Amino acid sequence: DAKTTQPNSMESNEEEPVHLPCNHSTISGTDYIHWYRQLPSQGPEYVIHGLTSNVNNRMASLAIAEDRKSSTLILHRATLRDAAVYYCILHNSGGSNYKLTFGKGTLLTVNP
Amino acid sequence: DSGVTQTPKHLITATGQRVTLRCSPRSGDLSVYWYQQSLDQGLQFLIQYYNGEERAKGNILERFSAQQFPDLHSELNLSSLELGDSALYFCASSVGQSETYEQYFGPGTRLTVT
Repeated sequence: DAKTTQPNSMESNEEEPVHLPCNHSTISGTDYIHWYRQLPSQGPEYVIHGLTSNVNNRMASLAIAEDRKSSTLILHRATLRDAAVYYCILHNSGGSNYKLTFGKGTLLTVNP
Repeated sequence: DSGVTQTPKHLITATGQRVTLRCSPRSGDLSVYWYQQSLDQGLQFLIQYYNGEERAKGNILERFSAQQFPDLHSELNLSSLELGDSALYFCASSVGQSETYEQYFGPGTRLTVT
């Protein structure tokens, strides 16, 4: 069963870039990689997703390794509001083996 | 505000009882997902509905069931409750049914079973 592995916690300083890694060595060819974050006492919030190519949006960038066995969420300039638990997820609704698996997440602390 | 609403916010009930959690998706979204979040298990996908039909099942117990109504709101029914069912229950909605769409999560319902 495909899983994602993330560091338990990371720390960053305000206005510096943050690179959050995720390993998914058993990913299959049609699994999408999604990132969500959860602020304290709130529901998860969508950040970004991709399949093979790197993706950019107003919140972040997603860098996907060429072999797709790992990915990195990049926050270009961390703010205090970015302090949250970040989840790397594999999602695949095709075929008979539906997959929607959350990792344990990385707690990001942002220092002022 | 994600546009997804969940009621009630908090629910306290006793073991053996049955409860119903309600979710209204964002306007225009056809898909509803239900999740359970507990301290020991983390976030777990329970079940997905798309346009009134069950689309996929995850780690949902047989004591739990769900449905999506014609107006697209969804209900999660939990019966014969046990202490271990105490958790946060989230619903999320998306426009489509596949992994190509992002999900928007509600604020959650905190269930406490005593």
